[in-house]
Amino acid sequence: GAGVSQSPSNKVTEKGKDVELRCDPISGHTALYWYRQSLGQGLEFLIYFQGNSAPDKSGLPSDRFSAERTGGSVSTLTIQRTQQEDSAVYLCASSSGTVGTLHFGNGTRLTVT
Amino acid sequence: AQSVTQLGSHVSVSEGALVLLRCNYSSSVPPYLFWYVQYPNQGLQLLLKYTTGATLVKGINGFEAEFKKSETSFHLTKPSAHMSDAAEYFCAVSSNQAGTALIFGKGTTLSVSS
Repeated sequence: GAGVSQSPSNKVTEKGKDVELRCDPISGHTALYWYRQSLGQGLEFLIYFQGNSAPDKSGLPSDRFSAERTGGSVSTLTIQRTQQEDSAVYLCASSSGTVGTLHFGNGTRLTVT
Repeated sequence: AQSVTQLGSHVSVSEGALVLLRCNYSSSVPPYLFWYVQYPNQGLQLLLKYTTGATLVKGINGFEAEFKKSETSFHLTKPSAHMSDAAEYFCAVSSNQAGTALIFGKGTTLSVSS
């Protein structure tokens, strides 16, 4: 596809369950980012990948959050033992390296009940 | 550490009026500055950016922003608002060219009335 693809687009889960969110970046983009967008909180940086390695994990809010990237392409963000405060839109973006030019997906809206 | 402050979570203007969205940044190194826009039910897209060189930068849809180091500001303007400009606007800062993540502000929702 031409853009960043995220799946699922919507996810409703019960508190305490684990969830996996998937991101397919634009082909050839070496950098991949995860952000969380909550109402009134703007975009919160979670993690950044360059290739398959994550030089910056500083934004992961707790050890329940983890992410991996394989083959320099697809990335998954995993949230274990979900809590209600994890409810948000999770955005993925990729970049070819041009300064600050991130291409965002449409996000996964996570609702924890 | 870097940070971005967007003054005003909501801005309302009339069609044809000047649009001014305020952004102030904090950075210990020369910053790279960006504005992103999120139209309803769409993903974020880059509106314009300042990296080096000319401090007045022009973006898509008639928007421009000026980097003012002395004021640590990067305000977004458009001379004449259009209904289609209604969206959420995010200011962002990055400290270097190495591709590390942008730090975003909390966003400003722009409403345009006829």
